[in-house]
Amino acid sequence: EAQVTQNPRYLITVTGKKLTVTCSQNMNHEYMSWYRQDPGLGLRQIYYSMNVEVTDKGDVPEGYKVSRKEKRNFPLILESPSPNQTSLYFCASRRTTGEYVLTFGAGSRLTVL
Amino acid sequence: EDQVTQSPEALRLQEGESSSLNCSYTVSGLRGLFWYRQDPGKGPEFLFTLYSAGEEKEKERLKATLTKKESFLHITAPKPEDSATYLCAVQPRFSGGYNKLIFGAGTRLAVHP
Repeated sequence: EAQVTQNPRYLITVTGKKLTVTCSQNMNHEYMSWYRQDPGLGLRQIYYSMNVEVTDKGDVPEGYKVSRKEKRNFPLILESPSPNQTSLYFCASRRTTGEYVLTFGAGSRLTVL
Repeated sequence: EDQVTQSPEALRLQEGESSSLNCSYTVSGLRGLFWYRQDPGKGPEFLFTLYSAGEEKEKERLKATLTKKESFLHITAPKPEDSATYLCAVQPRFSGGYNKLIFGAGTRLAVHP
């Protein structure tokens, strides 16, 4: 089944404790992206990657890092999480040719105390 | 500034009661307008892409339309399984828009038997 897999789905952590949210897709998509979803604000893009070793900032990159060492994986790293990073995070991927259709993961709900 | 506003925030319908969801947008040139459906605990799922004013697309009980300032998602004779949050997003033609979508906050639709 074609899918984007995120882990963990739920995480409660404390301020300053580094964490990584993994994202993996099995569709051989070139493009991958991270969004956060907050009530009343809609989905906002954090980072995106057009291909291996190519990443760029989205609209809300502060406090986050990403890497793209393999085509299928695009982890989101919070080096020193803060409470304002409490949110629902989604990873998405798509082909870079043809119709612009994002396939989203099921989401990772992060709480930073 | 590129912006997407969806209304209403929430909508409750009786089964069979047709209605429309609105997506108003301001964008520096529109490359595409997208509708996604999001079920609780899941990531958004692609529904439609519209590219130019006057375009319409249909899928089962849903029909999406586009003007130069807004899009409507018409739901005809809805069923309880149509209950979900519907997200609208635009892809700007300029401002590096190819690599991001700007999402609205969504409309939560509840269809009761």
